[in-house]
Amino acid sequence: KAGVTQTPRYLIKTRGQQVTLSCSPISGHRSVSWYQQTPGQGLQFLFEYFSETQRNKGNFPGRFSGRQFSNSRSEMNVSTLELGDSALYLCASSLNRASTDTQYFGPGTRLTVL
Amino acid sequence: QKEVEQDPGPLSVPEGAIVSLNCTYSNSAFQYFMWYRQYSRKGPELLMYTYSSGNKEDGRFTAQVDKSSKYISLFIRDSQPSDSATYLCAMDNQGGKLIFGQGTELSVKP
Repeated sequence: KAGVTQTPRYLIKTRGQQVTLSCSPISGHRSVSWYQQTPGQGLQFLFEYFSETQRNKGNFPGRFSGRQFSNSRSEMNVSTLELGDSALYLCASSLNRASTDTQYFGPGTRLTVL
Repeated sequence: QKEVEQDPGPLSVPEGAIVSLNCTYSNSAFQYFMWYRQYSRKGPELLMYTYSSGNKEDGRFTAQVDKSSKYISLFIRDSQPSDSATYLCAMDNQGGKLIFGQGTELSVKP
């Protein structure tokens, strides 16, 4: 079974621009979570989607948004990019929302903001 | 103060050594405890998953949870160079949202 895929793998943007990242979960998985990973803050939860609805949200500004489609694929968007948004953005999928459902991570999208 | 604290290291050990990795947490609502391993330029992968206090063993890996002390550990026996990676503890109490430690960078020297 194919794993979680994320596109693009690398992205370079300039301050003020916006960006959209894509995540395709493992087939059959219905929950998708997004995380931001930086050397200073580590892995931080952004938000979680299940059945096309945002179920949980981390402490990030409103510039960070996301959505999930009927096929469980998910996108996240960051508007008005800042230098501090440079990070590895990880997507994880799980079968459902139970705490016992393992979250499987994709390889991430490395975003660099200049 | 962060909900989950983990010493970022780096930690360097010789091949064959026993490695001990630890995390402390402050939120007593955490019920599920995980250890993820992350190789360079890869996403984290689940190593161990525990629910209750006590020990859980899987091959060379042992996960330990002490809920009374809010302390979890991962032990790696007979460490190998292929174990060189960043190890992240993670905790969950509401499904879909994991709270991670900072991650400990481990290097096992041949």
